[in-house]
Amino acid sequence: GENVEQHPSTLSVQEGDSAVIKCTYSDSASNYFPWYKQELGKGPQLIIDIRSNVGEKKDQRIAVTLNKTAKHFSLHITETQPEDSAVYFCAARPETIGGTSYGKLTFGQGTILTVHP
Amino acid sequence: GAGVSQSPSNKVTEKGKDVELRCDPISGHTALYWYRQSLGQGLEFLIYFQGNSAPDKSGLPSDRFSAERTGGSVSTLTIQRTQQEDSAVYLCASSSTSRSPQHFGDGTRLSIL
Repeated sequence: GENVEQHPSTLSVQEGDSAVIKCTYSDSASNYFPWYKQELGKGPQLIIDIRSNVGEKKDQRIAVTLNKTAKHFSLHITETQPEDSAVYFCAARPETIGGTSYGKLTFGQGTILTVHP
Repeated sequence: GAGVSQSPSNKVTEKGKDVELRCDPISGHTALYWYRQSLGQGLEFLIYFQGNSAPDKSGLPSDRFSAERTGGSVSTLTIQRTQQEDSAVYLCASSSTSRSPQHFGDGTRLSIL
């Protein structure tokens, strides 16, 4: 089955700096890669996702890059703000297995991001 | 519109008791998922419902765990004879199709004494 490794486990940056979180996956059939932000006491919130037919996707201060050959993808946050402080999770899944749509996500272990004012 | 709703938000029970956790998905979403998040850990898949298809139960950790989804909407996760290692946050997610983004509820924090 799929295995997703996420690094670093903790990341501390100054407000205004950039933050980068990296994930690797094992299953070459995976072709959908979402990123979630989880605040204390809340459920994960989808912030950006990418499918394997593109190499990069941006949404304001957030971008995700994907390298299918190397089986890794990264989250980039620019101009960080204190409200970006949270736990970030990457995930991966194949979209079909044996011709059947497949919904299960495999998650990384999470990165605790702290942005200091 | 309303998001995924889970109840109760917190549950404390004694070891050996049965518990039921409820999930109300976003209206119209055909796919529903249960995940478990242990303290400081990532999310672990438990079970997945898609429309009228047989559920994917491959993530259930033991036969003490079961889930059902009635009428293609509300789902209940049941844990029988709870053990201390069952303590975790149980998260439910739904998506409009199995290929669509998953939207999570805020979870049920389960504590087994």
